Amino acid sequence: EVQLVESGGGLVQPGRSLRLSCAASGFTFDDYAMHWVRQAPGKGLEWVSGISWNSGSIGYADSVKGRFTISRDNAKNSLYLQMNSLRAEDTALYYCAKSDYWGQGTLVTVSS
Amino acid sequence: QPVLTQSSSASASLGSSVKLTCTLSSGHSSYIIAWHQQQPGKAPRYLMKLEGSGSYNKGSGVPDRFSGSSSGADRYLTISNLQSEDEADYYCETWDSNTHVFGGGTKLTVL
Repeated sequence: EVQLVESGGGLVQPGRSLRLSCAASGFTFDDYAMHWVRQAPGKGLEWVSGISWNSGSIGYADSVKGRFTISRDNAKNSLYLQMNSLRAEDTALYYCAKSDYWGQGTLVTVSS
Repeated sequence: QPVLTQSSSASASLGSSVKLTCTLSSGHSSYIIAWHQQQPGKAPRYLMKLEGSGSYNKGSGVPDRFSGSSSGADRYLTISNLQSEDEADYYCETWDSNTHVFGGGTKLTVL
């Protein structure tokens, strides 16, 4: 059974940093590209970032470019999102996603 | 970069069928899309990948009531024999190079 379990969310002040993690199981992790998608309260889905199987290809939404960094550790079956210079508008539920499976999300709240 | 346009809402009666539309922006009419369902308070669920030819591949466990089709720049999700649990938000997604984009979502109400 495919499982994607996010962690690392929480309440953080504007301008500070946070690192999200996603633990993957039930599939061959290093065969697949992985993504972070977020959903602000009451809003739709927004793709944040994606990374290819070997980290050779990475993309970011314009809204996070230069502030967020995606990475993965295939030996640990894990995906990460380093979020710096956080803003109030980054407040959202952050989902880890494979092309055909989603995690349950971890909530990030940016507020003073 | 492609843009996906979806109607904000749709409604249909229990047991009937509904066809949701996702429209690709000009110059991107051949793109493959994916459909996702998000029931209230839950994480999204992948439904299917849909090609411009109309060929689609559904995710694991997706009921036969869900099907896809295409016409030009339009991608459709048809849900037959609507059930109460089909009341949800439906999002389409596409990708280009290293960028993905979601449509704004359609809120489906089952009457």
